[in-house]
Amino acid sequence: GAGVSQSPSNKVTEKGKDVELRCDPISGHTALYWYRQSLGQGLEFLIYFQGNSAPDKSGLPSDRFSAERTGGSVSTLTIQRTQQEDSAVYLCASSLSREKLFFGSGTQLSVL
Amino acid sequence: GENVEQHPSTLSVQEGDSAVIKCTYSDSASNYFPWYKQELGKRPQLIIDIRSNVGEKKDQRIAVTLNKTAKHFSLHITETQPEDSAVYFCAAGDSGNTPLVFGKGTRLSVIA
Repeated sequence: GAGVSQSPSNKVTEKGKDVELRCDPISGHTALYWYRQSLGQGLEFLIYFQGNSAPDKSGLPSDRFSAERTGGSVSTLTIQRTQQEDSAVYLCASSLSREKLFFGSGTQLSVL
Repeated sequence: GENVEQHPSTLSVQEGDSAVIKCTYSDSASNYFPWYKQELGKRPQLIIDIRSNVGEKKDQRIAVTLNKTAKHFSLHITETQPEDSAVYFCAAGDSGNTPLVFGKGTRLSVIA
């Protein structure tokens, strides 16, 4: 079956613009995660959705970042007023068991 | 919250030699410790995991050990091959409602 799908694969934007990143998880997976991977850095946790529970937003770096998950499936990560330090690969992952994560191929965001 | 430290950040070994990557974690509530492999330009994929009720787990050339008292766990790769070259990430979590926290990764290079 299809894996985790992210779009766009690449996004170039100007400083100050808003961007939306999309994640389509594996069908039936109740957990969905957003991580950020900067050059030479690890996987930085951003936000976590689990079923109908309130999302864990503890990793969001600022109030410019927000995410939602509609209908327990597709998720959108929104970054408002982008800054150069937001440039990174944004990875989405989904999970059925709360353990094994299946990652998407990521969105490479470049803020000029 | 959980904090995961990973060492070394880079590791070069000769083909056929062994490689060891070490991680420490801070939260004694963590009970699930996976390892992910990320090949160049690809998404991270789970290669092995261990739960706190065991001290060691093996899968062919890969093994993971866990010391809960000292709060550290390690990945051991024996008889390394060029295709083992990748970035390896350790992670820790409580297999419940909190997200996995990842280390910063180890770039392993296997020299033929």
